[in-house]
Amino acid sequence: DAKTTQPPSMDCAEGRAANLPCNHSTISGNEYVYWYRQIHSQGPQYIIHGLKNNETNEMASLIITEDRKSSTLILPHATLRDTAVYYCIVLPGGYQKVTFGIGTKLQVIP
Amino acid sequence: NAGVTQTPKFRVLKTGQSMTLLCAQDMNHEYMYWYRQDPGMGLRLIHYSVGEGTTAKGEVPDGYNVSRLKKQNFLLGLESAAPSQTSVYFCASSYDRLFAYEQYFGPGTRLTVT
Repeated sequence: DAKTTQPPSMDCAEGRAANLPCNHSTISGNEYVYWYRQIHSQGPQYIIHGLKNNETNEMASLIITEDRKSSTLILPHATLRDTAVYYCIVLPGGYQKVTFGIGTKLQVIP
Repeated sequence: NAGVTQTPKFRVLKTGQSMTLLCAQDMNHEYMYWYRQDPGMGLRLIHYSVGEGTTAKGEVPDGYNVSRLKKQNFLLGLESAAPSQTSVYFCASSYDRLFAYEQYFGPGTRLTVT
């Protein structure tokens, strides 16, 4: 499985866009990029995933570089409730064993 | 829908005692998982199941046993608890292999072994 590198922590002002980077330089052609988040003391929550095209849903946007070696999760208008640890995961499609690393702790500041 | 529920929410055990953690889901999901989360370690997969009657080992299976007798339930057992098993345990489920990435998590069980 491709490894991912994320900054350990980031701050973002409330109402601004939060851009969370992830480096996955060893990603293979059949591996997807998945993002989860974990709000304090709760179970993780799936956010979004993509293979090579940019993706958007009601929660966030995922931008994957053309060479697929890195990606950015964008929360367009961060709120205090977006304060959480965000996990970037790279896995083949249909792979059932999801491994969660340390992630990025995002602090949204009022 | 209740989603994924876990019982109990908190438990304190003494070394050597046994217990069973119950996970239940009402989404008709095929896949179910047990994770543990320790400070600074992220989540680690203990065991998982790809269907009723099946189980498989994850990353850290030692000291744990599981059973999936009913599709909606996934039990995690500790036969002889050790202080190293003090952790927060999360159960999760997903629809099937194609949607294994979209896992729904329960609220967690905080276990302390003294």
